[in-house]
Amino acid sequence: DAKTTQPTSMDCAEGRAANLPCNHSTISGNEYVYWYRQIHSQGPQYIIHGLKNNETNEMASLIITEDRKSSTLILPHATLRDTAVYYCIVRGDSGAGSYQLTFGKGTKLSVIP
Amino acid sequence: SAVISQKPSRDICQRGTSLTIQCQVDSQVTMMFWYRQQPGQSLTLIATANQGSEATYESGFVIDKFPISRPNLTFSTLTVSNMSPEDSSIYLCSVAVRRTNTGELFFGEGSRLTVL
Repeated sequence: DAKTTQPTSMDCAEGRAANLPCNHSTISGNEYVYWYRQIHSQGPQYIIHGLKNNETNEMASLIITEDRKSSTLILPHATLRDTAVYYCIVRGDSGAGSYQLTFGKGTKLSVIP
Repeated sequence: SAVISQKPSRDICQRGTSLTIQCQVDSQVTMMFWYRQQPGQSLTLIATANQGSEATYESGFVIDKFPISRPNLTFSTLTVSNMSPEDSSIYLCSVAVRRTNTGELFFGEGSRLTVL
């Protein structure tokens, strides 16, 4: 799976949009971009994933650049409960091995009142 | 989604002892994994729990230290053997649900082990 690079930490004001970047310049054509987050003392939680098109669900939006070398997770209206470590993960989507996730260090997002 | 129950949620153990962590899922799942999260670190995959056969271990993890069982589609155990303080970590069970097509994994809340 391709390697990802994320900022170590970010701050965001409550109620504002949080934009979390991720670089994955070595991503290959069949690899998806997944985002998970881990709130303190909890297991990771799935947020969203995408291949090449932008995606949106009830939690967030995922913007993937046209060359797929980077992406941005957007939390449209951050709340204090969104304070967590956010992991950007690239993985293939075929075969049994595709279910495995390789976690990097992630971005620690702090939402400030 | 899948509801994952892990037991124990936390424990304090003595050096040299072994502890078995249980993972129970409320639905049949295709894949089950065990992860370790050392203090202040990210998650590291230990192994894939295979139903009815030996687990598939990642580099750096061996069966003698982390024996794993998976007798059916909803249950797995991870044993941390002959524990040392370096084994103090959160151990997490993760599953892939057959019926979903998103490929997402669900995680338990983890079992926090402290080895004295």
